Amino acid sequence: DAGVTQSPTHLIKTRGQQVTLRCSPKSGHDTVSWYQQALGQGPQFIFQYYEEEERQRGNFPDRFSGHQFPNYSSELNVNALLLGDSALYLCASSFSETQYFGPGTRLLVL
Amino acid sequence: SQQGEEDPQALSIQEGENATMNCSYKTSINNLQWYRQNSGRGLVHLILIRSNEREKHSGRLRVTLDTSKKSSSLLITASRAADTASYFCATDDETSGSRLTFGEGTQLTVNP
Repeated sequence: DAGVTQSPTHLIKTRGQQVTLRCSPKSGHDTVSWYQQALGQGPQFIFQYYEEEERQRGNFPDRFSGHQFPNYSSELNVNALLLGDSALYLCASSFSETQYFGPGTRLLVL
Repeated sequence: SQQGEEDPQALSIQEGENATMNCSYKTSINNLQWYRQNSGRGLVHLILIRSNEREKHSGRLRVTLDTSKKSSSLLITASRAADTASYFCATDDETSGSRLTFGEGTQLTVNP
């Protein structure tokens, strides 16, 4: 049984560009959450998707948007990238309380 | 903002010793989870303890929860070099549903 997978593993973009990150949840999981982790800090909640709708959102600007597909996979889109968006982006899937994390996508904005 | 605060920020011990990490939080919670992260990779789920539980064990891990003090501790017994990692507590509180709020983590180094 594959765990949570994310692509790509690493990404380099320049300021102002747009980026799309992808996540496939663990088999049987219907909820996907996205987190941003800056270097040396704990993850910060961005938003959560369930039944193809955004169920909860953290304190992130509208430049951060997402989508969940009928097969429960999800995308995180970030527009107008800023240097401060450089971070590890983590996807987590769940069916009940426990969230299982993927390996993350490391985004560097130059 | 971070709800949890881990203490200490960094801990260095010898192999075979026990490691204790503490976590404090601010709001009423549904449950508290501990995660491990190796070198900036994904988080590995270690253990979940519910608000009505006081202690839980899993292998060499022991977690306690004191809701009156809004604190939790993670004890790793007989540590190994492979336990070297960052450890995070994450809470799932009554008002925010299933979103997790993380502390800033404890960096544990186990010296062989």
